[in-house]
Amino acid sequence: DVKVTQSSRYLVKRTGEKVFLECVQDMDHENMFWYRQDPGLGLRLIYFSYDVKMKEKGDIPEGYSVSREKKERFSLILESASTNQTSMYLCASSFPGGRMDTQYFGPGTRLTVL
Amino acid sequence: DAKTTQPTSMDCAEGRAANLPCNHSTISGNEYVYWYRQIHSQGPQYIIHGLKNNETNEMASLIITEDRKSSTLILPHATLRDTAVYYCIVRGGSQGNLIFGKGTKLSVKP
Repeated sequence: DVKVTQSSRYLVKRTGEKVFLECVQDMDHENMFWYRQDPGLGLRLIYFSYDVKMKEKGDIPEGYSVSREKKERFSLILESASTNQTSMYLCASSFPGGRMDTQYFGPGTRLTVL
Repeated sequence: DAKTTQPTSMDCAEGRAANLPCNHSTISGNEYVYWYRQIHSQGPQYIIHGLKNNETNEMASLIITEDRKSSTLILPHATLRDTAVYYCIVRGGSQGNLIFGKGTKLSVKP
């Protein structure tokens, strides 16, 4: 079975804290993605990565950075958390290529910034 | 801009087939139709995808019209656990993210 895991299901942080969200996949996928999901806005892509040490900005990268040092792990970093970053964060992975590019999602991390 | 149009919500009786429509009138020749669903408080789950032929797997069937401007996801015997938001997504062959619209909230009722 495909497996994408995220380090926490629920997280509460204070404004200004540095926050690390970890995602690990065990399917040897090249592609990994970070989304956030907010009511009424759907899923929005923050960053994605096609390979180790490679990253591309998505639609809403401001206030975030990412790290991909190993193929199986993709980290999302909030350098200085703010209340408008309170959201559900979803990680996904996939093989590259059109026909097989099916994304598998983790369970999500619900982050609250106070 | 959204490439797909779906009804906001639908109801279905338990045990009956759930037919979820999706319009994608601007789909181009190399774009696939993907369906995902998201059960409350969980990450999205892949269901099925297709290009122009009808597809079936253990979860659902996907019927794509001949002109490819619309499709229907069929859950043949809906259960209460199928209550979720269902997303229809059109995507080309190049690498990149999936663009999720607002989806259809399917409520399966006993």
